[in-house]
Amino acid sequence: SQELEQSPQSLIVQEGKNLTINCTSSKTLYGLYWYKQKYGEGLIFLMMLQKGGEEKSHEKITAKLDEKKQQSSLHITASQPSHAGIYLCGAVSTGNQFYFGTGTSLTVIP
Amino acid sequence: NAGVTQTPKFRILKIGQSMTLQCAQDMNHNYMYWYRQDPGMGLKLIYYSVGAGITDKGEVPNGYNVSRSTTEDFPLRLELAAPSQTSVYFCASRGLGGASYEQYFGPGTRLTVT
Repeated sequence: SQELEQSPQSLIVQEGKNLTINCTSSKTLYGLYWYKQKYGEGLIFLMMLQKGGEEKSHEKITAKLDEKKQQSSLHITASQPSHAGIYLCGAVSTGNQFYFGTGTSLTVIP
Repeated sequence: NAGVTQTPKFRILKIGQSMTLQCAQDMNHNYMYWYRQDPGMGLKLIYYSVGAGITDKGEVPNGYNVSRSTTEDFPLRLELAAPSQTSVYFCASRGLGGASYEQYFGPGTRLTVT
């Protein structure tokens, strides 16, 4: 089965600081999805990356896909308390199932 | 549109009891999913459906059953609840177009089995 390992597991940053979350796959990636979960709520889709080298941005969040390394990174610039939550990467396996990463919990201190 | 709705929001079950978690979507999505999220962990896929009348096992299907008689509804059944099934359950759906795996999630059902 596909395994997606995220690092770090948790992150506490001061408001205004930049941060990066990584997602590494055990298998070839055919597309990588990033979701955000506010504490106690469902997931919200952030963005999808399909091609190696692809980079997408949504407000102050930028994600990149490195197909060779089977890895994606999510970068938040000038973090705000509204960025707090759990960030999850996800990928589709060859069996058409969807797998989520282990999750990264982000706390932003005002 | 209500999106994806789940009921109940919270439930406490005793070991051996049964219950059905309800999930409905009003977006005419073909694909529907059930996930569980254990504390401090990512989501694991329990079952999924690619359309009415079609269901398939995910990563952790043991102890659960599903049915998909209509496009809108995708209930998850726990027959003999066990403490290991204490978790938060999320239902999700997606259509065929757009970002192909952009899933829309319900608010979740928090289940405790004691």
